[in-house]
Amino acid sequence: GAGVSQSPSNKVTEKGKDVELRCDPISGHTALYWYRQSLGQGLEFLIYFQGNSAPDKSGLPSDRFSAERTGGSVSTLTIQRTQQEDSAVYLCASSALAGEWETQYFGPGTRLLVL
Amino acid sequence: EDQVTQSPEALRLQEGESSSLNCSYTVSGLRGLFWYRQDPGKGPEFLFTLYSAGEEKEKERLKATLTKKESFLHITAPKPEDSATYLCAYNTDKLIFGTGTRLQVFP
Repeated sequence: GAGVSQSPSNKVTEKGKDVELRCDPISGHTALYWYRQSLGQGLEFLIYFQGNSAPDKSGLPSDRFSAERTGGSVSTLTIQRTQQEDSAVYLCASSALAGEWETQYFGPGTRLLVL
Repeated sequence: EDQVTQSPEALRLQEGESSSLNCSYTVSGLRGLFWYRQDPGKGPEFLFTLYSAGEEKEKERLKATLTKKESFLHITAPKPEDSATYLCAYNTDKLIFGTGTRLQVFP
């Protein structure tokens, strides 16, 4: 079946503008995660959603970052007033359930460049 | 603080030259230890999950092993197409990743 998809694949924006990144998880997966991968650094957890539970936002770096998940499926990560340090690859993953035993499957990522 | 460390940062091998990648972790309690492969410009691709010390899993030229404090990814007779960054991660509901080992295999 189809894997995790993300759009756009690339985004170039000007400093101060808002951007929205979209993630379509694997059909039937209840858990959805956002990570950020900066040049030369490891993957950094941002936020995750599990079903109808309140999201775990503990990894969001500032209040300029927010995410929502509509209808338990598609998720949108929004970055307001973008800064140059927001430039990174934003990766989305999904798993059948949330939990430490569950395998997370990743999408191809959105490469964000803030000029 | 839970932490995952990978070594070496980079590894250059000749085709057919076997080697091992290391992933050590300082975490409270043993949970899922995951290995992923990441090619340039792509998202991580799932390889293995290990759940308990002594467990081993194999896929083609790769074998992952787990002890109480570290995991190894053994690459036997690698080919150029095995060139990628290999990431390990510890799962505490969200994945805590190491910074990866960048593997280059030359013909």
